[in-house]
Amino acid sequence: NAGVTQTPKFRILKIGQSMTLQCTQDMNHNYMYWYRQDPGMGLKLIYYSVGAGITDKGEVPNGYNVSRSTTEDFPLRLELAAPSQTSVYFCASIKGQGRTSGGGKAYEQYFGPGTRLTVT
Amino acid sequence: AQSVAQPEDQVNVAEGNPLTVKCTYSVSGNPYLFWYVQYPNRGLQFLLKYITGDNLVKGSYGFEAEFNKSQTSFHLKKPSALVSDSALYFCAVRDIANDYKLSFGAGTTVTVRA
Repeated sequence: NAGVTQTPKFRILKIGQSMTLQCTQDMNHNYMYWYRQDPGMGLKLIYYSVGAGITDKGEVPNGYNVSRSTTEDFPLRLELAAPSQTSVYFCASIKGQGRTSGGGKAYEQYFGPGTRLTVT
Repeated sequence: AQSVAQPEDQVNVAEGNPLTVKCTYSVSGNPYLFWYVQYPNRGLQFLLKYITGDNLVKGSYGFEAEFNKSQTSFHLKKPSALVSDSALYFCAVRDIANDYKLSFGAGTTVTVRA
């Protein structure tokens, strides 16, 4: 298994441009997450998905959009890039037991290698 | 609400000495606690987790963590640090029944000098 893969690894955007960060997992995980990592701030959750066709906002969703048309893919879209979106973005996934299970077990999340985005 | 605090931005130790990285947490119910490590220009790697049961949890690469409910702490430890342990360490917590969403601490940079 390749695990969680992300493309591109690096990208420089101009203010106002748009782009899509790609995330794919081949572990048949139903839950997927997008985080951003800023120095000294840890990871902040942007959006997440509990399965194909279902997405929810995290802590810092403004300026981003997501979709989940398949189990494997969870792209993150930036419509109008701003300097505040300069960050490292991580995608993660987990094989959860579903919302009706009452929370499930303490599964760990699997992370991709990250995308370093600079907006100038 | 759930949150994590890592009170130290940096920890410096000599190789062969014990290593401790501190973490305190806040959750409304029983916690699930995790430690992750991040090497330069890499994603996060899982080290260990606490679910329930023994307060001392053993994980990868010789790391262990001690859960203390009364102090709401989950400190990461290694009896004898290696230079290769130099990395950024994150503590994370989640409550039950919240779609497995993790709250991360700000991270602690560990530097082990030869």
